[in-house]
Amino acid sequence: AQTVTQSQPEMSVQEAETVTLSCTYDTSESDYYLFWYKQPPSRQMILVIRQEAYKQQNATENRFSVNFQKAAKSFSLKISDSQLGDAAMYFCAYREAGGTSYGKLTFGQGTILTVHP
Amino acid sequence: DTGVSQDPRHKITKRGQNVTFRCDPISEHNRLYWYRQTLGQGPEFLTYFQNEAQLEKSRLLSDRFSAERPKGSFSTLEIQRTEQGDSAMYLCASSNRQGFFYGYTFGSGTRLTVV
Repeated sequence: AQTVTQSQPEMSVQEAETVTLSCTYDTSESDYYLFWYKQPPSRQMILVIRQEAYKQQNATENRFSVNFQKAAKSFSLKISDSQLGDAAMYFCAYREAGGTSYGKLTFGQGTILTVHP
Repeated sequence: DTGVSQDPRHKITKRGQNVTFRCDPISEHNRLYWYRQTLGQGPEFLTYFQNEAQLEKSRLLSDRFSAERPKGSFSTLEIQRTEQGDSAMYLCASSNRQGFFYGYTFGSGTRLTVV
């Protein structure tokens, strides 16, 4: 079974600085998708960024970028120019590419990010 | 697009009572998921519907849990004879075929407290 591990229960960053959240995963599949979701205190989970395993290029969405190391099974999230609104719980998630997975996600334990003004 | 709506937002119930939660997905989304999230943990998959068909259920979904999606529209999740261990956030998410690849939309969840 696939597992996702986030080894940092909590992280903090100063406003305008850069922070990196770590995620590792375990799978025997060669094709899959990886996601970072943000869950603010209001609780609705919001998709931050996604990465397709067959693409070597790291995904970028504005201030958010990933470092995807397929061989190491590592998928870290870098937040640049951190803003107070970035404070939230961040979840790393894995999804098989095959249709039989029905798109279900396997989540890590989450990392609470605090942004200091 | 009004998003994924879940009702109620909070539910407090006594142990042994039955509870039912409702999820209204985005109207054109034919895929619907239920997840359970305990405090400080990541969500865990419970079940998946494609249209009205329940295609997958997790082993987490014991016999006390049942989910339905009549006519492929809204979905309900019922828990019978609630136990304290059922206390959690229950999240619903939906997607269309594009969302299947690009990530789906979550609702704000129903927080269940069993006392």
